[in-house]
Amino acid sequence: QVELHQSGPGLVKPSQTLSLTCAISGENVSINSAAWSWIRQSPSRGLEWLGRTYYRSKWYTDYAESVKSRININPDTSKNQFSLQLTSVTPEDSAVYFCARSPVAGDFDFWGQGTLVTVSS
Amino acid sequence: DIQMTQSPSSLSASIGDRITITCRASQDIRGDLGWYQQKPGKAPKRLIYGTSRLHSGVPLRFSGSGSGTEFTLTISSLQPEDFATYYCLQHYSSPQTFGRGTKVEIK
Repeated sequence: QVELHQSGPGLVKPSQTLSLTCAISGENVSINSAAWSWIRQSPSRGLEWLGRTYYRSKWYTDYAESVKSRININPDTSKNQFSLQLTSVTPEDSAVYFCARSPVAGDFDFWGQGTLVTVSS
Repeated sequence: DIQMTQSPSSLSASIGDRITITCRASQDIRGDLGWYQQKPGKAPKRLIYGTSRLHSGVPLRFSGSGSGTEFTLTISSLQPEDFATYYCLQHYSSPQTFGRGTKVEIK
């Protein structure tokens, strides 16, 4: 059974960087049959996929166009986890952030518990 | 991006009722459609993927059908633990996109 556990601050100041980590248990982040995504949820935008990282002989990343200029998702194989960094945040980035696994089917089968992030001074 | 339109946005039903939720895609997504259940303060839980494949442990009262651009989630006999918000997800192409949700409330 795969489990994902998120950590990171719940309050970020405007213009600063949002950083979250997702620790994986029950599977290796480098497995070549899954991808690891970040998704956020807000009343205004609903559920929004932000990006993913995955390993297929080398590491790849894909990002949503809406955040492409501000986002980085990185794997950490030594700790079996992956992280999200979102730079230059504004109040519109306030949301609940989830990490999730994508199996071969391409949907999301296992999710982290969610982190409410508020962007405010 | 593929747009997902879900209806209704909310519904009221009683224990034992059969309910159906519909999701329409803005283009053909073959059968790459999933359904999720979310309760307040919790992460979404996968119910169905690939239109009709039940996630492990999901009760058989949940079923999915459809193809192309129109899909449905059916709960054959609503149970107390089924009152929640349901979302569809197209996993045909990146970026995967979600519907806006259907809140199922107790009548």
